[in-house]
This record gives sequence, C-alpha cells and structure tokens, in this order.
Amino acid sequence: AQSVTQLGSHVSVSEGALVLLRCNYSSSVPPYLFWYVQYPNQGLQLLLKYTTGATLVKGINGFEAEFKKSETSFHLTKPSAHMSDAAEYFCAVREMNRDDKIIFGKGTRLHILP
Amino acid sequence: DAGVTQSPTHLIKTRGQQVTLRCSPKSGHDTVSWYQQALGQGPQFIFQYYEEEERQRGNFPDRFSGHQFPNYSSELNVNALLLGDSALYLCASSLAGDWPYEQYFGPGTRLTVT
Repeated sequence: AQSVTQLGSHVSVSEGALVLLRCNYSSSVPPYLFWYVQYPNQGLQLLLKYTTGATLVKGINGFEAEFKKSETSFHLTKPSAHMSDAAEYFCAVREMNRDDKIIFGKGTRLHILP
Repeated sequence: DAGVTQSPTHLIKTRGQQVTLRCSPKSGHDTVSWYQQALGQGPQFIFQYYEEEERQRGNFPDRFSGHQFPNYSSELNVNALLLGDSALYLCASSLAGDWPYEQYFGPGTRLTVT
C-alpha cells in the first residue's frame, strides 16, 4: 500500500534562508510523486511532479525536489525563502500507470520569519 | 480556459441533514475525483467518477455517494451528516489515459456541521 510521511508538521525559516521540507514515501510499484501548496482558504496548487526521467525536478516559484529511490525520499527545497512562501505544503504519491487516487501526506506548514 | 469550479464555497448544515456539493471539471477533462480534507490533515480520497460510473472508492461509508453527469460534472452527496463530516471537500479533475494523469484541484467547499 502506498503511504506518505512528511517530517515536521511545522517548519520555520528566516526570510532568505534555505527551505527544506522532508517527504518519504512507500510504494510497492514505481511511483509518481507530487508536491502541492495550499494557501489559506484555497485549494491545492501543483508545485512540481516527478514521473520518470531526471530525478531533480524543478517547479514553480523557485522550488525543486529530488527523487531518491534508494532513500524513498522526495524532499522539497528552495534556496531562498520569501514571505509569500508561507503556506501548507503537501507531498503526495500515486502508483505509476494507475489513473486514480493520490495519497497525500499530512502536510507541513511553512512559516517565514522576517 | 476555466479551471475546476466548485459550489457552494461555504455551507453550514445540522447533524442528520443531507448535503450536495457540486463540481465542474476543467475543460477537456472527463474524470472527477473527490477528496475530504479535515482541519490540519492532508486530503483523503473519497471516490472517483469516470464515464458516469464510480471507478474507485476510498475508505468512506456509504453515506457518501456521488454522481457524474454526461457533461462530466459531478456531485458529492453526504447523508445523515455527522459533526466529523465538517471539512473542506476538494474536487479534482483529470483526463483518463492522459499520462501522467495529473489532477487539477478546485478551490473546495467548506462544510460545517453543527
């Protein structure tokens, strides 16, 4: 069965500092992996996705993530945090070649300190 | 090109009542998935509709039912509401067979049960 674990329900970083949000997954078959962002009172917006090919994936707003199969991880990073990055971030997994449900982690709320 | 739309935005119901939530998929999409996001949690898969049939279902009771119309729009119905049904209900649309099966999310309907 698929599952997603996000380490740290809350993460605080200073403006301009590195952002690192951790995600580990479990899947019995090769996965598709996603990071979504949710701003207050809004739906989910796709930041980036890994399907196949290059393991370093670049997304919107300067975010990127690296798929590490040996570590079953898909951590999200951004070199320099902006105040506008404050939001809830969800890591998600879907089994490859299955056109159905996405399994989400519980989310990490990112706080940006001035 | 309109994205995924949901109505209503907010809804307040009393325990025991029934509720219907609506979703219009992104133009060109034929598959609709519904998710429940409780406060402080990640979204959880309820079910998915394709060709007007329920294709897959998550771990939700039969009080949760749905429908898909010929124009691909969808409804989520919840009967005998419980306080625990209070959540943000998200609709996501996709195009069947369109690798990598990316789902686009709507803004959600916030349901409060009192």
